[in-house]
Amino acid sequence: AAGVIQSPRHLIKEKRETATLKCYPIPRHDTVYWYQQGPGQDPQFLISFYEKMQSDKGSIPDRFSAQQFSDYHSELNMSSLELGDSALYFCASSLDSGYEQFFGPGTRLTVL
Amino acid sequence: KNQVEQSPQSLIILEGKNCTLQCNYTVSPFSNLRWYKQDTGRGPVSLTIMTFSENTKSNGRYTATLDADTKQSSLHITASQLSDSASYICVVGDYKLSFGAGTTVTVRA
Repeated sequence: AAGVIQSPRHLIKEKRETATLKCYPIPRHDTVYWYQQGPGQDPQFLISFYEKMQSDKGSIPDRFSAQQFSDYHSELNMSSLELGDSALYFCASSLDSGYEQFFGPGTRLTVL
Repeated sequence: KNQVEQSPQSLIILEGKNCTLQCNYTVSPFSNLRWYKQDTGRGPVSLTIMTFSENTKSNGRYTATLDADTKQSSLHITASQLSDSASYICVVGDYKLSFGAGTTVTVRA
């Protein structure tokens, strides 16, 4: 069965650079969630989209933005990267809000 | 303060043995409590999902229980296998999830 696809799987950037993470949800899933998991920490909810509209916002820094496109894939844009942004970024998708969330393999971002 | 507390933080068990992981939560109201298995550097994989009206749910060798009155849940692993070595995370919420810190389980031969 198709799963959530995230790209790239690994990304290395320097401070003050920008990064774009992509998430392709399971086919027919219309809701996408982004989570950030720092080293040794539990995932923290960043933001979610339902039918291309932002549905909820968590602890997402102002330097980050995200959107969901017409094909339901989502991109997380991160600017002015800081060392503390180094983390594993997970995307999850579900069929409508409140349903089971299926997680992607994550993108490991390292900021040097 | 985290709204989802898990214990123990880590445990080591011998292959074939059983173990039970605990989860206490203060998140409310909510509709679903989930247990996820997460391998290092990988995305969490759902093991069980329960509504607050359910008391128990099984998925193979994994059995989760939920006591909505005391706000406690447990995950029981039966006849552990080496492949069970992972972090087990208790997650509460509907669409905006609250994660526990996880219990790291190491199964030794």
